Amino acid sequence: SQTIHQWPATLVQPVGSPLSLECTVEGTSNPNLYWYRQAAGRGLQLLFYSVGIGQISSEVPQNLSASRPQDRQFILSSKKLLLSDSGFYLCAWSQTDSSTDTQYFGPGTRLTVL
Amino acid sequence: DQQVKQNSPSLSVQEGRISILNCDYTNSMFDYFLWYKKYPAEGPTFLISISSIKDKNEDGRFTVFLNKSAKHLSLHIVPSQPGDSAVYFCAASEVRTSYGKLTFGQGTILTVHP
Repeated sequence: SQTIHQWPATLVQPVGSPLSLECTVEGTSNPNLYWYRQAAGRGLQLLFYSVGIGQISSEVPQNLSASRPQDRQFILSSKKLLLSDSGFYLCAWSQTDSSTDTQYFGPGTRLTVL
Repeated sequence: DQQVKQNSPSLSVQEGRISILNCDYTNSMFDYFLWYKKYPAEGPTFLISISSIKDKNEDGRFTVFLNKSAKHLSLHIVPSQPGDSAVYFCAASEVRTSYGKLTFGQGTILTVHP
């Protein structure tokens, strides 16, 4: 069966510091991968998606970036965090050859920028 | 422009009764719809989905209804249980796109009282 991991689970960072969140998927190959953010009291906002190694598309302009160095690894980064980057970050995957778009989410990372 | 809307931020139901969560969408190109359940500090869990070729899909206590002409879907939970208390998100996608982007509603907080 497929599993998705995210770490760290929680993170407190000062403004202006760098960020690196990691997501890995097991039990599947060539998945679509996604990064979402849920700000306090709000819905899920798609940040990035990837259909393959090195292929990243951004949905919203921001100071975050994403990379996919391996088939089942997705990394969310920032060079300098802003207060507004605080939130709950979720990684998700879906099957590329599926006739549906069901996405499966990881446990999330709670990021607090102080 | 919010293409998927959950107009009720919260819903309170007695245990054993029916919970009805509603969702409206504006994009007529959406052809696949999903419901997710989310507990605090966890990733969303996939509950049930429906394709636009159907108007009803049932899985145990959960039934999703789709009214394409009204661009409206609903999730029925019968009977409701205290463990169903969570935030429920509806999501929609255009399956024909290559990466399966999901557009989420803002979520509805369901509270089931014993």
